[in-house]
Amino acid sequence: AQKITQTQPGMFVQEKEAVTLDCTYDTSDPSYGLFWYKQPSSGEMIFLIYQGSYDQQNATEGRYSLNFQKARKSANLVISASQLGDSAMYFCAMREALNTGGFKTIFGAGTRLFVKA
Amino acid sequence: NAGVTQTPKFQVLKTGQSMTLQCAQDMNHEYMSWYRQDPGMGLRLIHYSVGAGITDQGEVPNGYNVSRSTTEDFPLRLLSAAPSQTSVYFCASSSPGQGGTGANVLTFGAGSRLTVL
Repeated sequence: AQKITQTQPGMFVQEKEAVTLDCTYDTSDPSYGLFWYKQPSSGEMIFLIYQGSYDQQNATEGRYSLNFQKARKSANLVISASQLGDSAMYFCAMREALNTGGFKTIFGAGTRLFVKA
Repeated sequence: NAGVTQTPKFQVLKTGQSMTLQCAQDMNHEYMSWYRQDPGMGLRLIHYSVGAGITDQGEVPNGYNVSRSTTEDFPLRLLSAAPSQTSVYFCASSSPGQGGTGANVLTFGAGSRLTVL
């Protein structure tokens, strides 16, 4: 069964520094996708970045990059130059294809990031 | 476009009552899903649908019922509410290519906060 693990319930980072949020996954599907979503205190879910299992290069989106290590089954999110507005809950998620067609996406427990001024 | 619309935003129920959380999307997305969010547990998949007339169970389906009679709507029914169903519920939708080839990035509703007394 597929599984997503985020082992850091909470993280602190100083403003303008980089931070890495950990995510490991487990799946038997060779064609899967990995995502990071941000949930600010207002509650909405915001998509940040996506990595396909066959993508050779690590995904980047502005200050966000996904450190994809396929053999280790890890998909860590790196936020460079942290800003106060980055304080939020961050969820790692994995999409797995279904035998019947379509897909389903499951989430990890999340990491709450606190950015200090 | 309204995106994904969930109603109601807040609801208080008594144990044993039934109710329906509504979810509608206007993006012609084939895939729709329901998650519940509880502290420390992330988002857990309740039910999902890969198209009209097709539904399947996720990680925590017990006590919930869904149907998908149209592409646009995916209501979640609580058959007999229990205090353990107190949670924030999110509806999400996607389609192939949403967010990039094969990505299936989820678009979330604003969430529905349910309290069962």
